Amino acid sequence: DVQLVESGGGLVQPGGSLRLSCAASGLTFTTSDMHWVRQVLGKGLQWISGIGTGDDTYYAVAVKGRFTVSRENAKHSLYLQMNSLRAEDTGVYYCAREGANWAFDHWGQGTLVIVS
Amino acid sequence: DIQMTQSPSALSASVGDRVTITCRASQGISGSLAWYQQQAGKAPKLLLSGASRLESGVPSRFSGSGSGTDYSLTISSLQPEDFATYHCQQYYHTPRTFGQGTKVEIK
Repeated sequence: DVQLVESGGGLVQPGGSLRLSCAASGLTFTTSDMHWVRQVLGKGLQWISGIGTGDDTYYAVAVKGRFTVSRENAKHSLYLQMNSLRAEDTGVYYCAREGANWAFDHWGQGTLVIVS
Repeated sequence: DIQMTQSPSALSASVGDRVTITCRASQGISGSLAWYQQQAGKAPKLLLSGASRLESGVPSRFSGSGSGTDYSLTISSLQPEDFATYHCQQYYHTPRTFGQGTKVEIK
């Protein structure tokens, strides 16, 4: 079975940093484009970052320059380094795999980030 | 960025009802649209991609249609397990924007 397991969330003060991790299993990680999506509690989903198999990276305007996505194929892991955190970054952060049809076919359970 | 506008934002329906949710893109997305179901407290689950292609294991009461800028998700006969929030997403262009979600509640 495919599993994506996020970790690293928590409570951080404004201006602080956090590093999220996503451990993947049951899928061919090295050939998968991966993404981070966040959800403000009770609200909609917001795509925030993606990374391709060639380490090409993409960011939403809201996080560009503050967040950095990376991957470590040997460890089947995806990361999101979040710096200069703001209250509006509060939410549940999901990692997701982009499937062959370009939609996000597997999601982790999410990790909660609170900036306060 | 491509804006995705979902409607309605919430609806109340009964078991057995036919329900339709619409999603409009701010520009044409050539069928590059996915629908996700999210149960309370859970991660989203992919239902359909390519606007109308049902994912493996998704019940056939779910269907999708549309082209250009206008798309819809239909549940032909609502079941108790279908009460959830539904999100559309375009993947025609990065950033991969989502609609604001439609919460389907029990009447």
